[in-house]
Amino acid sequence: EADIYQTPRYLVIGTGKKITLECSQTMGHDKMYWYQQDPGMELHLIHYSYGVNSTEKGDLSSESTVSRIRTEHFPLTLESARPSHTSQYLCASSEDTALGVLSLQETQYFGPGTRLLVL
Amino acid sequence: AQTVTQSQPEMSVQEAETVTLSCTYDTSESDYYLFWYKQPPSRQMILVIRQEAYKQQNATENRFSVNFQKAAKSFSLKISDSQLGDAAMYFCAYRSAYRDDKIIFGKGTRLHILP
Repeated sequence: EADIYQTPRYLVIGTGKKITLECSQTMGHDKMYWYQQDPGMELHLIHYSYGVNSTEKGDLSSESTVSRIRTEHFPLTLESARPSHTSQYLCASSEDTALGVLSLQETQYFGPGTRLLVL
Repeated sequence: AQTVTQSQPEMSVQEAETVTLSCTYDTSESDYYLFWYKQPPSRQMILVIRQEAYKQQNATENRFSVNFQKAAKSFSLKISDSQLGDAAMYFCAYRSAYRDDKIIFGKGTRLHILP
């Protein structure tokens, strides 16, 4: 069973506050991801990381930032939250399985998500 | 760019019956992975089944099986003997075997199980 955790699970805050969403995994996966998902809608990749000190922007532009100082930890920060940031944020991780010259990706394991409401 | 299309926003099935969720995708790549993820209401998203494009045999996991038609770029999910716990949002997803950055998800199909 996948061991990937997100805290808090639910967060209600006021506009202008700084928040950090935590994500941790104990599987030793190098790759980690943040997705944003509105209720009943598709997932949009907002950040990903190949490993320590590696961070990249995803498909969906986001005002959030991420850091990857340790393999197991991939926090997401909003410096000044706004109502438009209200959404569910899902963290995921995956393991590489190298095979010959190709790096074949295994599945992504998802955390339980953080539901953020900005008033 | 690759795309994943799920044309059924919602579906319903009677308990114990069989239901098939549709998914089509578009890619110019020859090697890739396809996935079905399940997202129950307010719960963690979990992997249901995975298919490698180079394998002709359709993947199966207990009551879940896929119909993978590579030429038609179709990847449907069949759920047999539907149970109440199968009610969830189901996402079809694509990942390239050559690019290591992301999975592309469809918009999802919400499946209702009728008792």
